Amino acid sequence: DTGVSQDPRHKITKRGQNVTFRCDPISEHNRLYWYRQTLGQGPEFLTYFQNEAQLEKSRLLSDRFSAERPKGSFSTLEIQRTEQGDSAMYLCASSGDGGWVEAFFGQGTRLTVV
Amino acid sequence: AQSVTQPDIHITVSEGASLELRCNYSYGATPYLFWYVQSPGQGLQLLLKYFSGDTLVQGIKGFEAEFKRSQSSFNLRKPSVHWSDAAEYFCAVGARVNAGKSTFGDGTTLTVKP
Repeated sequence: DTGVSQDPRHKITKRGQNVTFRCDPISEHNRLYWYRQTLGQGPEFLTYFQNEAQLEKSRLLSDRFSAERPKGSFSTLEIQRTEQGDSAMYLCASSGDGGWVEAFFGQGTRLTVV
Repeated sequence: AQSVTQPDIHITVSEGASLELRCNYSYGATPYLFWYVQSPGQGLQLLLKYFSGDTLVQGIKGFEAEFKRSQSSFNLRKPSVHWSDAAEYFCAVGARVNAGKSTFGDGTTLTVKP
């Protein structure tokens, strides 16, 4: 296992289109996180899964955003009706269970909405 | 609510000089603290972490950080900077029951002069 994998690495889309990103976590990790990072800012937490259950969603996750992890392995993040303000780097991370574990991040998906 | 402040947006040091990046946090209990490094267009790589115990922690690439509870600080240091250290550095505080869900500072960009 080479770490957290995200696909695609880059996505350019027109405003109003829907986009979907995929994240494959480290195989033995039960927890999966999505973060968003805009230019000049640190990553901001969006949501996290424990296995297939989505346990927490940030207020940043508007109704146009939906995340799934159907079999507790890979996850998808979909953005519907994209807006220019959605342009950002979307980072996925995974970790093991428990409090004393850090998250390992993927390379991210850079979304540009034109 | 937890928060992280990185007071220095941009730091420039000469190659071979020492480095200290500042981080102040706000958290209601003993925090879990992290330093990550990010190269342009890339994901985050964990440099080091503090969960408990010895307040001076060693990380990868010759970095270390010291947790000072009285000052709510977790500053990152390196005795001799290499040109390859040029990157953006993020300090983060993790939730006590789920350290993977972290609050990040806005980062410090490090430039290394030859």
